Parts: sequence; structure tokens; C-alpha cells
Amino acid sequence: QVQVVQSGPEVKKPGASVKVSCKTSGYTFINYGISWVRQAPGQGLEWVGWISANNGNTNYAQKFQGRVTMTTDTSTSTAYMEMRSLGSDDTAVYYCGRDLGYCDISSCSPAAYWGQGTLVTVSS
Amino acid sequence: DIQMTQSPSSLSASVGDRVTITCRASQGIINYLAWYQQKPGKVPKLLINATSTLQSGVPSRFRGSGSGSDFTLTISSLQPEDVATYYCQKYNSAPLTFGPGTKVDI
Repeated sequence: QVQVVQSGPEVKKPGASVKVSCKTSGYTFINYGISWVRQAPGQGLEWVGWISANNGNTNYAQKFQGRVTMTTDTSTSTAYMEMRSLGSDDTAVYYCGRDLGYCDISSCSPAAYWGQGTLVTVSS
Repeated sequence: DIQMTQSPSSLSASVGDRVTITCRASQGIINYLAWYQQKPGKVPKLLINATSTLQSGVPSRFRGSGSGSDFTLTISSLQPEDVATYYCQKYNSAPLTFGPGTKVDI
């Protein structure tokens, strides 16, 4: 069965960077992309971006362009999201989710299998 | 970018009621519309993709419909376990924008 396990909570100071991992199992990693979604406290879901595990193609939401980098390690079936120059408004639970269907060039699928979420707290 | 709106933002209904949530895209997205359910303190769960395809294990009281820019999620007979916030998401092209959510209470 598909499993998605994220790294643990992080506390960062403003201006710092954070790198969240998303380890998957139970399927062929390169056959599906990974989306990243965040949810600030008491707020809705916000799409951060997507990466193809097959070729590393990425899509990022415009508001995060230049500040976020998504990568994968096919040897460990793990996806990563790094966000830089953190501010207090980046405090949120960050989720990764495996695509429902195959997308290669660009994101084209909802996320069907979600990690448990990683709370990133940005505070001085 | 295409914007997604949902209405109502919240609703309260009784067990057994029929509940309807509307999602509207600012441009046509054909049928590239998904619905998620997020129960309090839990991870979002994909309920429906391609406007109307129920994911495995999702009760048949959930139904999705629509096309183009107007979509609907209907719960035919609301159950206590359906208390959650429901989000639509378009996925025809990046960015895969979510609607603001509809909170359903009993």
C-alpha cells in the first residue's frame, strides 16, 4: 500500500530556511509526481508547487517563486521541499501528496496520498 | 491565474439533510476539478476527481457534478461523520488552486 511519511516539526527564526522531507513507499516512485500544499493555522489549503519524480520538472506557485525549491531522491523515494527567507506568515502545516495520476511535463493531477503534515513554526 | 470560489463558506444542517456546495472557476477548466474533505485536525482526503469520479471507499451519498466553470458537491443524506471542511481544487494546469473551503456542521 502507498505510504507517505514526512519529517518532523521544525522551529525556525525569521530569515532562516527549512527543508521538509517526504518519504514514499508502496509504489514505483518515478511514476508519480509530488505536490506540496500548506495550511496556515485556521486557514485553508494553499498549493505551493509540484515536482515530477520522473524528470524533476517543477511548477511553483508564483508567490513562492525564487524562495522554494523542490527536489527528489529516486534512490530513497523521497521528495524534498526547501523554503528560504522564512517569515512569520510561513508558519503552517506543510503537506506533501502523491499524484493520483501520471503527470510528466507539468502538474495535472490531484493528490491522492498525503503525508501526515509537518508543522513549520517561524518565530523569533 | 484561474481563481476558485466556493459557496457557502459555511453551513449547518441536520442529519439526513441534503447538502449542496458550489465551486466556481473564473475560467473554464473542463472537468479538471477535485473535491477534498478535511476533518478537524486531520489530513485532507481526496473524495472526487474529474468532477464526478468517487475515490475508492467514498460513500455513495457523495456526488460531484458540473462542467466548464460551475461545479457542485452534493451530500445526499448528511451523516455525523461528514462534519468537515470541503475544498475544491482545479488541476487542468498549474497553479493547482484550491477554493477557500466550505465548513459543514451539524
